[in-house]
Amino acid sequence: AQSVTQPDIHITVSEGASLELRCNYSYGATPYLFWYVQSPGQGLQLLLKYFSGDTLVQGIKGFEAEFKRSQSSFNLRKPSVHWSDAAEYFCAVGPTGTASKLTFGTGTRLQVTL
Amino acid sequence: EPEVTQTPSHQVTQMGQEVILRCVPISNHLYFYWYRQILGQKVEFLVSFYNNEISEKSEIFDDQFSVERPDGSNFTLKIRSTKLEDSAMYFCASQQDPYEQYFGPGTRLTVT
Repeated sequence: AQSVTQPDIHITVSEGASLELRCNYSYGATPYLFWYVQSPGQGLQLLLKYFSGDTLVQGIKGFEAEFKRSQSSFNLRKPSVHWSDAAEYFCAVGPTGTASKLTFGTGTRLQVTL
Repeated sequence: EPEVTQTPSHQVTQMGQEVILRCVPISNHLYFYWYRQILGQKVEFLVSFYNNEISEKSEIFDDQFSVERPDGSNFTLKIRSTKLEDSAMYFCASQQDPYEQYFGPGTRLTVT
C-alpha cells in the first residue's frame, strides 16, 4: 500500500532563511508526487508536482522540490522564506498514468518568525 | 481561472440528521473525489467517482455515505445519519486526466 511520511510535524524558521520540508514515500512504482499548501481555514492549493522528466521541479511562490528515486524522497525547498509562507504543507502521492486517489502525509506546519 | 466551489462553507447539524454537501467541479473534468480532514489530522480519501459511478471508496465510506452527480454539474456527498465523529472538513476535488487534482475550499461539518 502506498504511504507518505512527513517526519517534521512543526518547523519554525526566520523570515529570509532557507527552508526544506521532508517527504518520503512508499510506493510500488514511480508515483506522481505533489506538494499542497493549506493556509488556516482554507482549502488545498497545489504548489508543485512531479510526473516525469527533470527531477527538480519548480512551483509557485518560489518553491521547488527534488525527486530522488534512490531515497524515495520528494523534499520541498525555498531559498528565502517570507512571513506569508506560514501554513501547513502536505506531500501527496498518486498512481502514475491513471486518475486515482491521492495519499497524503500528515503535514508539516511551518511557522515563520520575523 | 476555473475553480472548484463548495457549499456551504460551514454546516452545523445535530447527530442523527442527514446532511448534503455540495460541490461544483471544474466543467470539463471527468473524475471527482471527496476527501475529509479531521481537525489536526491528515487529509483522507473517501470516494472517487467517474462515468456516473463510484470507481473507488475507502473503508471510511460506509453505508451512511453516498455520492451523486444529479445534474451534470453538481457533485454531492450525503451523510444519512451523522455521528459526532463525522465532524471534519470535507474537500471536493476534480481532475481532467491523470494529473493534478484541483481542490475546493472545503465544507466544515460540525456535528453536535
